[in-house]
Amino acid sequence: AQRVTQPEKLLSVFKGAPVELKCNYSYSGSPELFWYVQYSRQRLQLLLRHISRESIKGFTADLNKGETSFHLKKPFAQEEDSAMYYCAPGGYGGATNKLIFGTGTLLAVQP
Amino acid sequence: DAGITQSPRHKVTETGTPVTLRCHQTENHRYMYWYRQDPGHGLRLIHYSYGVKDTDKGEVSDGYSVSRSKTEDFLLTLESATSSQTSVYFCAISEGTQGAKNIQYFGAGTRLSVL
Repeated sequence: AQRVTQPEKLLSVFKGAPVELKCNYSYSGSPELFWYVQYSRQRLQLLLRHISRESIKGFTADLNKGETSFHLKKPFAQEEDSAMYYCAPGGYGGATNKLIFGTGTLLAVQP
Repeated sequence: DAGITQSPRHKVTETGTPVTLRCHQTENHRYMYWYRQDPGHGLRLIHYSYGVKDTDKGEVSDGYSVSRSKTEDFLLTLESATSSQTSVYFCAISEGTQGAKNIQYFGAGTRLSVL
């Protein structure tokens, strides 16, 4: 079964510390992978996608096909990074636009 | 925010009553989606639409039906609401299924309580 796992429900770090939010998936084929973020009182929005290889707000995510992982990283956390982060591979049922969302990781950056 | 409006934003209803949630978009995007968000489950796809009158099931479609008679509107109906359908419902849209067009844009959500 297609599945995505975000093992940490809550990740608490201090400002300036490195951050790594883990995401592992079990998919056949080569899914397109996304990280979505939901800031307090805001809509869920795209943070980044693996195919674009971008760095958004200092975050990067590397696809490791061997480990089937797509961890989200940032070298120095900021307080404004506090939010709920969802990993979401596409490809459910063979359709690239059908996403399977992980259960989410709440990132809390302490001052 | 992308032009996506969900209505109502909050609703309380009783078990066994029908409920319809509306998603309206002004972006003329082809694809529309309905998700539910529950603690411990993240977001789960209920149904999606790939065009007017074209819909398909998602992960958790039992107990839900959808309709799309116009490009801009995607309706989610709970024929006979149950307490297990208490949740936050999100609508999303995307322009296509490849590359940047595969990015989904989300509405603000509808909080539904079934008593």
